[in-house]
Amino acid sequence: QVQLQESGPGLVKPSQTLSLTCTVSGGSISSGGYYWSWIRQPAGKGLEWIGRMYISGSTNYNPSLKSRVTISEDTSKNQFSLKLSSVIAADTAVYYCARSQRRGGYDWYFDLWGRGTLVTVSS
Amino acid sequence: QSALTQPPSVSGAPGQRVTISCTGSSSNIGAGYDVHWYQQLPGTVPKLLIYGNSNRLSGVPDRFSGSKSGTSASLAITGLQAEDEADYYCQSYDSSLSGWVFGGGTKLTVL
Repeated sequence: QVQLQESGPGLVKPSQTLSLTCTVSGGSISSGGYYWSWIRQPAGKGLEWIGRMYISGSTNYNPSLKSRVTISEDTSKNQFSLKLSSVIAADTAVYYCARSQRRGGYDWYFDLWGRGTLVTVSS
Repeated sequence: QSALTQPPSVSGAPGQRVTISCTGSSSNIGAGYDVHWYQQLPGTVPKLLIYGNSNRLSGVPDRFSGSKSGTSASLAITGLQAEDEADYYCQSYDSSLSGWVFGGGTKLTVL
């Protein structure tokens, strides 16, 4: 059974770069047929899609974060990563990694989520 | 402000029926992109409930149903139960943003 697990610092100083890793177990990110995404959720607020990657190396980002976001993969470790630069307090949130698939010809949906990791931006 | 608009909250008594709307535009739902629904129980990870507008994930009770028409979609829950109390999110693709979007979420309270 495929599982996702986020890891990384829980505290980041303002103006620094937030770095998180998602480790995929039980399946390979190289197998294709899936998008791998990052999603965040500030406390008490809704979900915000940050960006996605496909194993071909292609990436797409939320326009509101695009200038600060990089998503990349490390196939040797079966991981993909998020970097968010120049963070501010408003970037404080629970960050989820998630897998997307499409079934029956429908558009992509998030079928598998990590447990999430809280990142606080504070000095 | 999200590209998909949901009511912040809905409520209903046990056994009743409630609907949660998800209103989009011509660049997302109205463009024909599918809508998916997620349930987030308190303190837990969002969980896929319905995909492709109206398809229940295996194991989801048939009390949950989804529909889509024009620039909007809806999630209906019949026979409300206390365990249905959660936040619900719709999700689709937006061509003007070239990415996925979520609705702002709706908190369902079972009275």
